[in-house]
Amino acid sequence: EVQLVESGGGVLRPGGSLRLSCAASGFKFDDYGMSWVRQAPGKGLEWVSGINWNGGSIGYADSVKGRFTISRDNAKNSLYLQMNSLRADDTALYYCAREIAVAGTSWFDRWGQGTLVTVSS
Amino acid sequence: SYELTQPPSVSVSPGQTARITCSGDALPKKYADWYQQKSGQAPVLVIHEDDKRPSGIPERFSGSSSGTLATLTISGAQVEDEADYYCYSTDSSGYHRVFGGGTKLTVL
Repeated sequence: EVQLVESGGGVLRPGGSLRLSCAASGFKFDDYGMSWVRQAPGKGLEWVSGINWNGGSIGYADSVKGRFTISRDNAKNSLYLQMNSLRADDTALYYCAREIAVAGTSWFDRWGQGTLVTVSS
Repeated sequence: SYELTQPPSVSVSPGQTARITCSGDALPKKYADWYQQKSGQAPVLVIHEDDKRPSGIPERFSGSSSGTLATLTISGAQVEDEADYYCYSTDSSGYHRVFGGGTKLTVL
């Protein structure tokens, strides 16, 4: 069974840093791209960042570029999101999602349950 | 930045057909995907590449796309289909990956 389990969320002050992790199991992790998607309380979904199977292709939403860094460790079946210079509008539930990529397009076929990040003074 | 536009809400009676639209300038060249999110749960993929239904998704869910408009259709909507629905796609460069603002489907 495919499982994605996020961890690392918490409460912190503006300007702080946090590292999120996503532990994957039940599938061959290095066959898939992965993404982080977030959802602010009561709001819609926002794609944050994505990484291909070997880390050779990475993308970020404009809202986090220069502050967040996505990475993966295929030996540990894990995805990470290093979040620096956090702001109040980064407060959200952060989901890890598995990507299926075919011929220039991709979609998210499995999602974790999310980890909550709260940035507040 | 690129935007996908959805109606905030759609309401139907059980058994009726619900249609949720998603408008975006790059949709003539880029696929749309659709995600269902029930209250307090993670999103679930219901349609990918405009019109492909993953295994396990009921046949009443279908998708289509024409020009700058993608549509999710739920034929014979059930009470259990009440959820927020989000479209997803990219701009023409493929770099900006975005979700629509979401549509709350009410079935009652």
